[in-house]
Amino acid sequence: GAGVSQSPSNKVTEKGKDVELRCDPISGHTALYWYRQSLGQGLEFLIYFQGNSAPDKSGLPSDRFSAERTGGSVSTLTIQRTQQEDSAVYLCASSFAEFGGQETQYFGPGTRLLVL
Amino acid sequence: ELKVEQNPLFLSMQEGKNYTIYCNYSTTSDRLYWYRQDPGKSLESLFVLLSNGAVKQEGRLMASLDTKARLSTLHITAAVHDLSATYFCAVDTLNYGQNFVFGPGTRLSVLP
Repeated sequence: GAGVSQSPSNKVTEKGKDVELRCDPISGHTALYWYRQSLGQGLEFLIYFQGNSAPDKSGLPSDRFSAERTGGSVSTLTIQRTQQEDSAVYLCASSFAEFGGQETQYFGPGTRLLVL
Repeated sequence: ELKVEQNPLFLSMQEGKNYTIYCNYSTTSDRLYWYRQDPGKSLESLFVLLSNGAVKQEGRLMASLDTKARLSTLHITAAVHDLSATYFCAVDTLNYGQNFVFGPGTRLSVLP
C-alpha cells in the first residue's frame, strides 16, 4: 500500500512569507509525528498527534510554528513569517500505536524548505 | 537538559568485520530508538527499546539497552556494504515526546 507522503517535496520561499507543509499518513495510522533536520541543529522532534490531538506542543521551535491534524488523517505544519533559520528538511512519520509504543514509525520523504 | 551522545561519529570498516556504535544519554529513560538514514533519503526506524536489558535483532544489527548505565549499543556483525548509512539514536524521557532528543548520528562506511 501507499506509504507516508509529503508535499511539496521542495519549497523555496522568501523571508517573511508563510508556508504550509502537508503530510498524508498511512491509512489507519493513529499517530503522526513531525521532525526537522538541519545542518545546524541536526534532527529535532517537533510535535506528535494521537488522533487529532497534540498532547504537547513544546517541541515547536517558536510561536511562528503551528500544526494541526484533521479527521485523524492529514496534518499540516504551518510556519508563519519564515526566517532563514527555518531552512531544513521537514519529516513526517506515522504509526499504528501511540508514541512510546512498540510500533514502528514510517517516514515520509520529507519537504526540503529553503528560506531566502 | 537531556543530552544524547554517540560515538564514534564516523566509522569506516571493512566488510566482514564486527563493530559497535554507542549511544549515551544524560537523564534516566527507558525509551530508546534507533534509526537509519541513507544519504539524501528520509529516516527508517530500526529498533524501539523500552526496558532495561531489552535486546532486539534484525539481520546483522543488534541493539541493546542498559538503563542503569544510560547506554545503548548497536552492534554490527559481519558488515556488508549495504549497511553504509548514518545511524541515529534518540531518547524520550517523557511521554508524548516532550523531551525527545536525537544523537548527532554515526556515519558508517563499509568498504568492500
